Amino acid sequence: SAVISQKPSRDICQRGTSLTIQCQVDSQVTMMFWYRQQPGQSLTLIATANQGSEATYESGFVIDKFPISRPNLTFSTLTVSNMSPEDSSIYLCSVEDFSGRTDTQYFGPGTRLTVL
Amino acid sequence: AQKVTQAQTEISVVEKEDVTLDCVYETRDTTYYLFWYKQPPSGELVFLIRRNSFDEQNEISGRYSWNFQKSTSSFNFTITASQVVDSAVYFCALSEGEGTNAGKSTFGDGTTLTVKP
Repeated sequence: SAVISQKPSRDICQRGTSLTIQCQVDSQVTMMFWYRQQPGQSLTLIATANQGSEATYESGFVIDKFPISRPNLTFSTLTVSNMSPEDSSIYLCSVEDFSGRTDTQYFGPGTRLTVL
Repeated sequence: AQKVTQAQTEISVVEKEDVTLDCVYETRDTTYYLFWYKQPPSGELVFLIRRNSFDEQNEISGRYSWNFQKSTSSFNFTITASQVVDSAVYFCALSEGEGTNAGKSTFGDGTTLTVKP
């Protein structure tokens, strides 16, 4: 199975600032995704992190607010920009590998963000 | 568009009781994947099972079992002889298997299971 780590695990930030979350996978994976889980809610897909090209965003999410990078097949970052208290959530990185080695989807431990 | 419905918001049982968590899904795809995840109070999402749309065989893993029925678009999850450690939020999810949306998951709202001693 793929092992995923995220940094930071949690943070408390001030309104108007930005935070970059890192996602590292222990092996090359086909697809990487970023999800948001607001307090007491389910998970919502933010975007697909595409290696070497711009991320693909879901409805309701924009690049200016959530810029994403994916420089290679094992690493991605999500930035939450100009934060407000409504951005307080758990942000999860997810990977899916259709190489035949795992053929399933895994989630990182999440980054718990609180915005004051 | 995909949709996953977990009609049971909260379930409370007493230890050793059996409990079934319901999941109903909607999709136009012929190739798709269904998942169950457990999210304990610690917050981490724990993968439980993945089932593809062409495999309707029921699966048993210890005290856990899953019943996949395409005819009713359901993928129900049963815990036998529940334990306090089973207390968590359980999510059912649906992922497209092909095309530009492959790998993107749609989650149900989750069912909060409380197992009392």
